[in-house]
Amino acid sequence: AQSVTQLDSQVPVFEEAPVELRCNYSSSVSVYLFWYVQYPNQGLQLLLKYLSGSTLVESINGFEAEFNKSQTSFHLRKPSVHISDTAEYFCAVSRDSSASKIIFGSGTRLSIRP
Amino acid sequence: GAVVSQHPSRVICKSGTSVKIECRSLDFQATTMFWYRQFPKQSLMLMATSNEGSKATYEQGVEKDKFLINHASLTLSTLTVTSAHPEDSSFYICSATPGLAIPNEQFFGPGTRLTVL
Repeated sequence: AQSVTQLDSQVPVFEEAPVELRCNYSSSVSVYLFWYVQYPNQGLQLLLKYLSGSTLVESINGFEAEFNKSQTSFHLRKPSVHISDTAEYFCAVSRDSSASKIIFGSGTRLSIRP
Repeated sequence: GAVVSQHPSRVICKSGTSVKIECRSLDFQATTMFWYRQFPKQSLMLMATSNEGSKATYEQGVEKDKFLINHASLTLSTLTVTSAHPEDSSFYICSATPGLAIPNEQFFGPGTRLTVL
């Protein structure tokens, strides 16, 4: 079975500061990894994903995450955050096969201070 | 592309009534759909997985007689909360996957907020 741990339930940062949201997973098989973002009172949006290939994946709005197999981590980073990045971020994992169910972490609330 | 809609977005009902929530894939055929529930300030918990034309697979602890799932077509799945009670109040989110067309990626609906009085 797969599981996901997000160590930080809340991360407050100042605008334009860098941020890292931590995610660790456990699995006995190959996995796909995801970061989803949920803005207040909205559904989930895929931010970025790792399926295979390059271990560094990027989103269109400046976030990036690196798959580290040895450390079983998939931390999310952004060098300079904006007020609009305020949201809940969920790390997720699924088995390396089509239509597998996704297991979500507990989420990290990112709050940006001006 | 890959848009998933849910209807209604918000519903308030009296205790003991049943509520049906629809999940539609608007521009792709969804071989599999998933239903999640999310309590305030918590993560998404998978309730069940449904494949078109077959019975849903429920996660441990989810009452299949209370949460009826029907996946009648490749673009529509419904979740019916039967005899709803206040503890069923939650945010229900569905997702759909095109399967092999885009391997292992789920597209999420905007969610339905259910409040049971």
